[in-house]
Amino acid sequence: NAGVTQTPKFRVLKTGQSMTLLCAQDMNHEYMYWYRQDPGMGLRLIHYSVGEGTTAKGEVPDGYNVSRLKKQNFLLGLESAAPSQTSVYFCASSSQGSRETQYFGPGTRLLVL
Amino acid sequence: GENVEQHPSTLSVQEGDSAVIKCTYSDSASNYFPWYKQELGKGPQLIIDIRSNVGEKKDQRIAVTLNKTAKHFSLHITETQPEDSAVYFCAANVNQGGKLIFGQGTELSVKP
Repeated sequence: NAGVTQTPKFRVLKTGQSMTLLCAQDMNHEYMYWYRQDPGMGLRLIHYSVGEGTTAKGEVPDGYNVSRLKKQNFLLGLESAAPSQTSVYFCASSSQGSRETQYFGPGTRLLVL
Repeated sequence: GENVEQHPSTLSVQEGDSAVIKCTYSDSASNYFPWYKQELGKGPQLIIDIRSNVGEKKDQRIAVTLNKTAKHFSLHITETQPEDSAVYFCAANVNQGGKLIFGQGTELSVKP
């Protein structure tokens, strides 16, 4: 099992450009999450999904959109990137939600100039 | 809103000493408290978790204690080794919607 994988590993964007981060999991998990990690601020939840075809907002959803068309994939989109979105993005998945282990991907480092 | 406070933000110990990291949470309905270890350039990995029906849990050199009345929980690492050096995160679940709220992280440095 590969677990949770993320694509790409690193990306540089110019302000105003758009991009999509891809997360894939092969554990048949229902729940998937997108976090951003900034120095001194821990992991903050952007959006999450409790099953295929569903999405919900987390703590810091502004400027991001998500889609969960297939159970194994969770996409995070930036429509018009801003320097404030420079961060490391982590995807995670879990089998049954908030009382179960979340498994994290290796992260995507995004730099917005 | 719900939040989790974690202290200290940095911790330096000598190899063989113990390390303690403390967290407090605000949601009295929280009932699941995981701890994650993040090594440089990698994603966080679960090292131990505790549920609200127990007060302590041990796994070799790692232990977690929970005080639900005071709404705080702690990670204890004994006989620290250089490979324990990493950033550690505590978290607490929010009962609505399958979410975790994370603390700000503790950077642990174990000096040989």
